[in-house]
Amino acid sequence: NAGVMQNPRHLVRRRGQEARLRCSPMKGHSHVYWYRQLPEEGLKFMVYLQKENIIDESGMPKERFSAEFPKEGPSILRIQQVVRGDSAAYFCASSPFQDTGELFFGEGSRLTVL
Amino acid sequence: DQQVKQNSPSLSVQEGRISILNCDYTNSMFDYFLWYKKYPAEGPTFLISISSIKDKNEDGRFTVFLNKSAKHLSLHIVPSQPGDSAVYFCAARKGGSEKLVFGKGTKLTVNP
Repeated sequence: NAGVMQNPRHLVRRRGQEARLRCSPMKGHSHVYWYRQLPEEGLKFMVYLQKENIIDESGMPKERFSAEFPKEGPSILRIQQVVRGDSAAYFCASSPFQDTGELFFGEGSRLTVL
Repeated sequence: DQQVKQNSPSLSVQEGRISILNCDYTNSMFDYFLWYKKYPAEGPTFLISISSIKDKNEDGRFTVFLNKSAKHLSLHIVPSQPGDSAVYFCAARKGGSEKLVFGKGTKLTVNP
């Protein structure tokens, strides 16, 4: 009964490269959320997805960031042309249904941009 | 514009005593509040929640109190145990939204 699986746990990129973070939700969960935690900050909502649909992307930066949750496979958070300010912990969470704040979080992916 | 505020970055208590963690919010549209606990190098774990129609919710050693008029909630842990040492995040949600708004967290240390 695996929890939310995120990989890689740690990712180092140079400025201008691309970062891809993957998230497999808990079994039976069809709702996926991405949050970002900057140093000394709380978690900030980025995007909410259901299978093949982006439901709310109001927290996503307008450029360079994209997310998907395909019919098959994990959810992907993609950051193009990374900059130092993208260095953060990116947490994925899942839930089995809507209208619950009781999210199940993964252990996070820590991105470091050199 | 921080809508959920945890003004104490850290709190230290003795084992067996009560831990009280506080949280204030500014958005009157929030109608559901949650507490998450986070250990280093792990993801947050849901602890307890409360709807705005209630003023108290209890689960074992954990109780959350909500004061809507003051836009304030608190988490009480009694008795505190060393294993409770973690960062505690307060979070809030508006009705109809799936988005949680988190505070910056309070690091609780329970000393044996």
